[in-house]
Amino acid sequence: DVKVTQSSRYLVKRTGEKVFLECVQDMDHENMFWYRQDPGLGLRLIYFSYDVKMKEKGDIPEGYSVSREKKERFSLILESASTNQTSMYLCASRPQGRAYEQYFGPGTRLTVT
Amino acid sequence: QQQVKQSPQSLIVQKGGISIINCAYENTAFDYFPWYQQFPGKGPALLIAIRPDVSEKKEGRFTISFNKSAKQFSLHIMDSQPGDSATYFCAARGGGSEKLVFGKGTKLTVNP
Repeated sequence: DVKVTQSSRYLVKRTGEKVFLECVQDMDHENMFWYRQDPGLGLRLIYFSYDVKMKEKGDIPEGYSVSREKKERFSLILESASTNQTSMYLCASRPQGRAYEQYFGPGTRLTVT
Repeated sequence: QQQVKQSPQSLIVQKGGISIINCAYENTAFDYFPWYQQFPGKGPALLIAIRPDVSEKKEGRFTISFNKSAKQFSLHIMDSQPGDSATYFCAARGGGSEKLVFGKGTKLTVNP
């Protein structure tokens, strides 16, 4: 079974803090993704990576950055957290050539106060 | 042109009934149309997917119907069960991108 794990299920941070969300997958997938999920807005892509050290902006990259130093790990960084970044963050991975078959982690509920 | 419009936003069905969720798209270059199912506290999981050269695909109680000319596709859940209560997302892939474009989701509640 493919497993995508996220470092925290719940996180509370203060405005202005630097926040790191970690994601690890165990299936040697080339592609990894970060989404945020908000009620009524569905899943919105923040960043994705198709290889180590490679990244591309998604639909809402502002206020976020990412890091992929190893194939299995994809980190999302909030440089200076703001209250409008309070959300559910979902990481996903996908094997090469199976474009619709994404495997999601359980999510991190981030609250910025 | 990269949007997928999903309706309804929420749906309540009695046990044993048929649940129907609809999606529409504009970009004719989309070439895969998956559906994802998300239970509370979990990440979405792939449920079923269809290509545009197929009009219908069935897996157990779940069926995707695809209307290429109308640029619409739908998920039908036959004999709906309380355990089907979840949020369902339609999606589309292609149009010059490897990314999936997701609909906004439908929260399905199946009453016992």
